[in-house]
Amino acid sequence: EPEVTQTPSHQVTQMGQEVILRCVPISNHLYFYWYRQILGQKVEFLVSFYNNEISEKSEIFDDQFSVERPDGSNFTLKIRSTKLEDSAMYFCASPRSRTNTGELFFGEGSRLTVL
Amino acid sequence: EDKVVQSPLSLVVHEGDTVTLNCSYEVTNFRSLLWYKQEKKAPTFLFMLTSSGIEKKSGRLSSILDKKELSSILNITATQTGDSAIYLCAVALNNNAGNMLTFGGGTRLMVKP
Repeated sequence: EPEVTQTPSHQVTQMGQEVILRCVPISNHLYFYWYRQILGQKVEFLVSFYNNEISEKSEIFDDQFSVERPDGSNFTLKIRSTKLEDSAMYFCASPRSRTNTGELFFGEGSRLTVL
Repeated sequence: EDKVVQSPLSLVVHEGDTVTLNCSYEVTNFRSLLWYKQEKKAPTFLFMLTSSGIEKKSGRLSSILDKKELSSILNITATQTGDSAIYLCAVALNNNAGNMLTFGGGTRLMVKP
């Protein structure tokens, strides 16, 4: 299975702090996604990113969230001022093909705990 | 609102049993239905279904889509303890996001020795 890598695997932060989660998607792909899963709940779509721009975002992805591509291979999800309800597992995902067809492959996830 | 519903919520079986997991959906602009297995962390891909009535098979797992009934089933034959996991169904829509998936709540399968 193609590899999508995420760091950190677990982050604990205080409410109100900024958090940056990092992802290296499948090499040379232009499409990229972030999903989250609150413990015991469904996996939810956050945002899709294509060619350095957000192409779609959900209601969850409010002004506290941002996505960037700081260099050619890494993507980041930033939460500016974390809230308790941001505690969740955050997954990045890449499609199988560069044309965004086919299945999505998920990274191992970053578990965020907000205290 | 797009909706994906899975049943049962949980299932306990013994090794060697056959199980059938169900997924139904109500979405606008359906493109494909996907099944994932989630053990400890990340969902791992099992099947993607786009055409009705064509069974996809991988070892002891198989799945089929019924577009008329807006549903899909995932079968696992001769279950093993390693099949214990949460099985997720997701629907991909034809929109700008391409692979924006709407997930169901999952079926938790426990296989006892």
